[in-house]
Amino acid sequence: RKEVEQDPGPFNVPEGATVAFNCTYSNSASQSFFWYRQDCRKEPKLLMSVYSSGNEDGRFTAQLNRASQYISLLIRDSKLSDSATYLCVANYGGSQGNLIFGKGTKLSVKP
Amino acid sequence: DTAVSQTPKYLVTQMGNDKSIKCEQNLGHDTMYWYKQDSKKFLKIMFSYNNKELIINETVPNRFSPKSPDKAHLNLHINSLELGDSAVYFCASSLQGVTEAFFGQGTRLTVV
Repeated sequence: RKEVEQDPGPFNVPEGATVAFNCTYSNSASQSFFWYRQDCRKEPKLLMSVYSSGNEDGRFTAQLNRASQYISLLIRDSKLSDSATYLCVANYGGSQGNLIFGKGTKLSVKP
Repeated sequence: DTAVSQTPKYLVTQMGNDKSIKCEQNLGHDTMYWYKQDSKKFLKIMFSYNNKELIINETVPNRFSPKSPDKAHLNLHINSLELGDSAVYFCASSLQGVTEAFFGQGTRLTVV
């Protein structure tokens, strides 16, 4: 079964906090992984890809653990503008294309 | 220029009607998708097309049919609309099936 599981939240944190999101995927053959951000009534937008070696983009760090089929996203020094829903994504079906989204984790950053 | 564009943005229609949503991408991508996001905000894949061939057809009702006249377009046709079809429908495209997808702005469908 094709599944991507996330904690739905909501996560309510103060500005400046560090927050971590976790995600698991069910298909060990998945080849690519992403984190997307979706604002209210908007389309999902790519936040970052997730690589086996881990990758960082400013305040955002993504990690992949293939053995545990686990993906994480760390946000440091949270900003009010980080408030959104964060979607974990894994591909199923190899190169043919089948990006499966988790149900999303809602983040609310408060002043 | 909008990379992935879909029309209309809003669609209100009565039960039993047939409607279409259009999608176009100017990114030169090989794979296009249709996703449905329901009231609980779950983004569920409906179809994906690779080089004009349907390669994944999720268990959606056969009232929904994707049409791809060429690599840059993937339209969604819905027959005999039902109340439960009310949702936001997103079109997306990716260079290949393993690469990130870019989304259109969504079509908010309301069936009354």
